[in-house]
Amino acid sequence: RKEVEQDPGPFNVPEGATVAFNCTYSNSASQSFFWYRQDCRKEPKLLMSVYSSGNEDGRFTAQLNRASQYISLLIRDSKLSDSATYLCVVWGGANNLFFGTGTRLTVIP
Amino acid sequence: NAGVTQTPKFQVLKTGQSMTLQCAQDMNHNSMYWYRQDPGMGLRLIYYSASEGTTDKGEVPNGYNVSRLNKREFSLRLESAAPSQTSVYFCASSEASGGNYGYTFGSGTRLTVV
Repeated sequence: RKEVEQDPGPFNVPEGATVAFNCTYSNSASQSFFWYRQDCRKEPKLLMSVYSSGNEDGRFTAQLNRASQYISLLIRDSKLSDSATYLCVVWGGANNLFFGTGTRLTVIP
Repeated sequence: NAGVTQTPKFQVLKTGQSMTLQCAQDMNHNSMYWYRQDPGMGLRLIYYSASEGTTDKGEVPNGYNVSRLNKREFSLRLESAAPSQTSVYFCASSEASGGNYGYTFGSGTRLTVV
């Protein structure tokens, strides 16, 4: 079983829509959680950390559900510039940082 | 404001050739990492260096060696390239080891082994 699993998509949504991605992780002892964004043929970039209480950064909201072992990313009012692959990343302690395969989002004009 | 710099950006090797991928960071980070990214798979850790003078194997170290030359530089060497090593390679750094700190990635090296 993979450490981190994501729906690969693609998610094709119109501009202005709200879209949500989920990600599940297998290790209940995982300690930290992140969302990274990766543009086509570019490097991953940290989008936001995910805190137990949930956190928001502008149009982006991240949630953690430890009981069900999943994290989510909600994007409101989607922009064309949000088109990218979103990587779910889970830290299991020490140097065990696990990357999901990513969920591809395309925002359509 | 360079961040993490990787060279080269592209490389084509013949099976059996060797090469070294270079990585340097200017953020005074202690920890550095080498990942490979293949279609349908998440980034996988090849080697990491928690601090200057130390290196450790990650998930997929076979066929690779690394050198932490100083605090800034962390190189990845393929001694005898194989087609299975065709991949995109990313170097990353973080303030300290472990995943509790955000990673900054270089722009990647696209390697093809024929």
